[in-house]
Amino acid sequence: QSALTQPASVSGSPGQSITISCTGTSSDVGGYNYVSWYQQHPGKAPKLMIYDVSNRPSGVSNRFSGSKSGNTASLTISGLQAEDEADYYCSSYTSSSLVVFGGGTKLTVL
Amino acid sequence: EVQLVESGGGLVQPGGSLRLSCAASGFTFSSYWMSWVRQAPGKGLEWVANIKQDGSEKYYVDSVKGRFTISRDNAKNSLYLQMNSLRAEDTAVYYCARVFRVVVPAALAFDYWGQGTLVTVSS
Repeated sequence: QSALTQPASVSGSPGQSITISCTGTSSDVGGYNYVSWYQQHPGKAPKLMIYDVSNRPSGVSNRFSGSKSGNTASLTISGLQAEDEADYYCSSYTSSSLVVFGGGTKLTVL
Repeated sequence: EVQLVESGGGLVQPGGSLRLSCAASGFTFSSYWMSWVRQAPGKGLEWVANIKQDGSEKYYVDSVKGRFTISRDNAKNSLYLQMNSLRAEDTAVYYCARVFRVVVPAALAFDYWGQGTLVTVSS
């Protein structure tokens, strides 16, 4: 199973909104509403930010939101803050009954 | 507070074995599916294995089937990963993770992760 496709990097200024895409196929992202997003700061463990495409776990800021259109899922961060600078990974359920991750996106807050 | 603490990583030669452990606390360990997820240096995440609450069901990524074995001891609140016939491509930080959402056999989301333990396979 190939990894999902994410942009290698995105950037934005404090206060702006950014969107990170996660592109798959009809056998994963497009076929199921089981996309999750994780934030990972350097040297730290990943943190769950979004599950089931658009749901936030308790304690995650509402500045983070998720959506999906066709075979592409998106993570939007509004009101960008310096602490948001991190790597972000998407994951999706697949028709092989497994979970596959994206290659990761490095977010830089300018 | 939920805590997951991995141990057991290190340097091992190709073909060798290692056993990783994960000590869980702060939640009812026996109520959750658990997983191992790995991250090769500078690379993305890769799910490795899942185990059901009572240990009766186990699932693996194809690349480790027949070489790795996931297990748990609910009396000790511990998760394990026995890794045999290790290859250079198994070099990674291995994370223990609590499964937040599951559609058997897939762990859809992981809500708590340990800090990871580094496994280096090299001669």
